[in-house]
Amino acid sequence: AQSVTQLDSHVSVSEGTPVLLRCNYSSSYSPSLFWYVQHPNKGLQLLLKYTSAATLVKGINGFEAEFKKSETSFHLTKPSAHMSDAAEYFCVVSSPTSGAGSYQLTFGKGTKLSVIP
Amino acid sequence: DTEVTQTPKHLVMGMTNKKSLKCEQHMGHRAMYWYKQKAKKPPELMFVYSYEKLSINESVPSRFSPECPNSSLLNLHLHALQPEDSALYLCASSQVSGANVLTFGAGSRLTVL
Repeated sequence: AQSVTQLDSHVSVSEGTPVLLRCNYSSSYSPSLFWYVQHPNKGLQLLLKYTSAATLVKGINGFEAEFKKSETSFHLTKPSAHMSDAAEYFCVVSSPTSGAGSYQLTFGKGTKLSVIP
Repeated sequence: DTEVTQTPKHLVMGMTNKKSLKCEQHMGHRAMYWYKQKAKKPPELMFVYSYEKLSINESVPSRFSPECPNSSLLNLHLHALQPEDSALYLCASSQVSGANVLTFGAGSRLTVL
């Protein structure tokens, strides 16, 4: 069984300061991990993915995440927050399903990022 | 074309109405998904289609009826819904090989009166 724990339900940062959103996972095998972002009343957009290649993963809009197997963590960071980063962020682990070529996503509960001007 | 398109964006319906949500993608993805998302919650999986065949039904009530008429289209037929079914309904698709990434649509916001 797989699970994802997002350690903060709400993070507030000032514009221009670093962002850290924390995620821990549990998986019985080598996981596929993702971060998705959801702006208000919008669908989910893929920020970045880890699929057992480089442990430091770069994504869109200056975000990156580091996979640490020893700590079972996949924290999301950004050096400098922008107002447009204010959104809900989901850490996700993926596993194959019984259906050919389809995948089951296990979502964390989400972290709401607020950016203060 | 790298998008999943959902229509309508907003839908208001009464408990006795019959309506449908539509999802379309032209990325050649052969797996398609319906998710339901309540406010301030993560999405919950409802159905998965793989090669146009229903492969997962997460014990969804029969008032929700999915249909996959071809590899590009996914419908969700709605009948006799309850007010608690009001939510954002998200469609997604994925390739059958390579990176296991789901591409999501913008969602259909459903309100049941």
